Amino acid sequence: KTQVEQSPQSLVVRQGENCVLQCNYSVTPDNHLRWFKQDTGKGLVSLTVLVHENDKTSNGRYSATLDKDAKHSTLHITATLLDDTATYICVVGDRGSALGRLHFGAGTQLIVIP
Amino acid sequence: DMKVTQMPRYLIKRMGENVLLECGQDMSHETMYWYRQDPGLGLQLIYISYDVDSNSEGDIPKGYRVSRKKREHFSLILDSAKTNQTSVYFCASSSRGRAETLYFGSGTRLTVL
Repeated sequence: KTQVEQSPQSLVVRQGENCVLQCNYSVTPDNHLRWFKQDTGKGLVSLTVLVHENDKTSNGRYSATLDKDAKHSTLHITATLLDDTATYICVVGDRGSALGRLHFGAGTQLIVIP
Repeated sequence: DMKVTQMPRYLIKRMGENVLLECGQDMSHETMYWYRQDPGLGLQLIYISYDVDSNSEGDIPKGYRVSRKKREHFSLILDSAKTNQTSVYFCASSSRGRAETLYFGSGTRLTVL
């Protein structure tokens, strides 16, 4: 059973608009959550990592929140650019060490149009 | 420069041939991973290596084996490749005590005909 569910599956926005990507998970324990950006045909690039109970992070136009009680995270992208077109992947780690497992969502495909 | 390098980027093989995928990292990370990515699915863990000659099966190890003789190199081997092993393979590395530090390579797109 998939333990990390991302929504929407795909999203089309116009350049300059804001968007919100969702990640719901059932992984227990949930040590940390990371958002990755994957350009078509490329590897995963880390955007941000959230560790604590009600963590909030900001990385330029990307900001993220984590609610461990609800097992839910959101990724906000502000003022989208054409280069934001990519797949965004949510990953939940069940431990802080390499002995833990990483649980990957299937991703949200974001398309930014002019 | 923190980097995970995968070779080759693209590979086409015939069913039954042997396949070697190479991965290197320059961060002295103890832990390295091999994943495969298929359309509509999250990345699936094939093997994890905790250090030299300390490898463990992941969720889908059948049909694969690995080799880690140096900390900076981790190889994935397919003995007698099958068509259902057509996929994109990603290598990653992380520091043992800090799983949230995770770096991925650019992937190898393998096609088995």
